[in-house]
Amino acid sequence: AQSVTQLDSQVPVFEEAPVELRCNYSSSVSVYLFWYVQYPNQGLQLLLKYLSGSTLVKGINGFEAEFNKSQTSFHLRKPSVHISDTAEYFCAVTRPSGNTPLVFGKGTRLSVIA
Amino acid sequence: GAGVSQSPSNKVTEKGKDVELRCDPISGHTALYWYRQRLGQGLEFLIYFQGNSAPDKSGLPSDRFSAERTGESVSTLTIQRTQQEDSAVYLCASSPLAGYYNEQFFGPGTRLTVL
Repeated sequence: AQSVTQLDSQVPVFEEAPVELRCNYSSSVSVYLFWYVQYPNQGLQLLLKYLSGSTLVKGINGFEAEFNKSQTSFHLRKPSVHISDTAEYFCAVTRPSGNTPLVFGKGTRLSVIA
Repeated sequence: GAGVSQSPSNKVTEKGKDVELRCDPISGHTALYWYRQRLGQGLEFLIYFQGNSAPDKSGLPSDRFSAERTGESVSTLTIQRTQQEDSAVYLCASSPLAGYYNEQFFGPGTRLTVL
């Protein structure tokens, strides 16, 4: 069975500072990895995903994540955050077969402080 | 275009009552998912509909939970004899393609409170 651990439940950061949201997964087989974001009063939307190829994945709004198989991690980064990045961020994992439901982490609430 | 919509946005019910939650997916999206999000927890998969194939019900927590979808249209999630532990936000998502790894488009959710 797969699992996802988001190590920080809340991350406060000042505007224009860099941020890293941590995600570790557990799986005995190959995985596909995702970050979804939920802005206040909105539904979740896909930020980026890793399926194969380059381990550095770029997403929307200047975010990127790096797949590290040896560390079983998929940390999300942004070099300079904006107030509008305040949201809840969810890491998720599934298998390449396409017939295994996404397993989500508990989420990390990013608060950007002016 | 219109996104995924869910109704009601909030539902308060008494323990033991049945509730029905509705999801309208994006038009043309063949796949539809239901998730539950309890306070402080991640999303829990409940059920997946893909076209006319048999749904994947592996995430339903008990036989009090059921869901229906007609073709590629609206879906309803029914919880019978609600319990306090059913209190959560119920999220619906749809996708234009089959397979869990394809991008899912989420609705705003229905917040269910069981008193």
